Amino acid sequence: GENVGLHLPTLSVQEGDNSIINCAYSNSASDYFIWYKQESGKGPQFIIDIRSNMDKRQGQRVTVLLNKTVKHLSLQIAATQPGDSAVYFCAENPLSGGYNKLIFGAGTRLAVHP
Amino acid sequence: EPEVTQTPSHQVTQMGQEVILRCVPISNHLYFYWYRQILGQKVEFLVSFYNNEISEKSEIFDDQFSVERPDGSNFTLKIRSTKLEDSAMYFCASSISKGVDTQYFGPGTRLTVL
Repeated sequence: GENVGLHLPTLSVQEGDNSIINCAYSNSASDYFIWYKQESGKGPQFIIDIRSNMDKRQGQRVTVLLNKTVKHLSLQIAATQPGDSAVYFCAENPLSGGYNKLIFGAGTRLAVHP
Repeated sequence: EPEVTQTPSHQVTQMGQEVILRCVPISNHLYFYWYRQILGQKVEFLVSFYNNEISEKSEIFDDQFSVERPDGSNFTLKIRSTKLEDSAMYFCASSISKGVDTQYFGPGTRLTVL
């Protein structure tokens, strides 16, 4: 079946460095992609999203890049802070199928060291 | 800032018992969802709900599960006869519309089946 997966299960960075979290997806018909942050004991928190008709979108300290050719999604966090430590999930919404559910990837744990 | 709330935060039950998990979606949202996350695994879609009926459900959402919007604010997930493998975090989410619209998640209910 279709799935969304992540290349790296854990990522350790130094405070102040930039972080890049990657995600591969296999459903070429997916229209909408979202990055969520999940802190321990909490629900997924929306970070940023992107439609399939875009290849880049920027937020505050975060940038999402979408490469439809290779079905790859990445989240870049600038000047990573200790508060960024969490598990990050990419998710896709295969809108073209008339669906409205999110298919989550496996998650990457980001550990920020002082 | 409006948020999705869930009660209880932790529910412990005996195998075979019925449980009801409660959610209060964001007030102007029309689409509601339940997801679950088994410890250490990814978030999985269970069901979406709109206009007082299920719009989509996953294969996990079998006859033991049901959802209801008993009044104008609550959205519930009932598990009729819990099994050990139902132990997980259950997240409620809501969105204003379907499609390209952010799903906002609640803090979750941790269900432990003994």
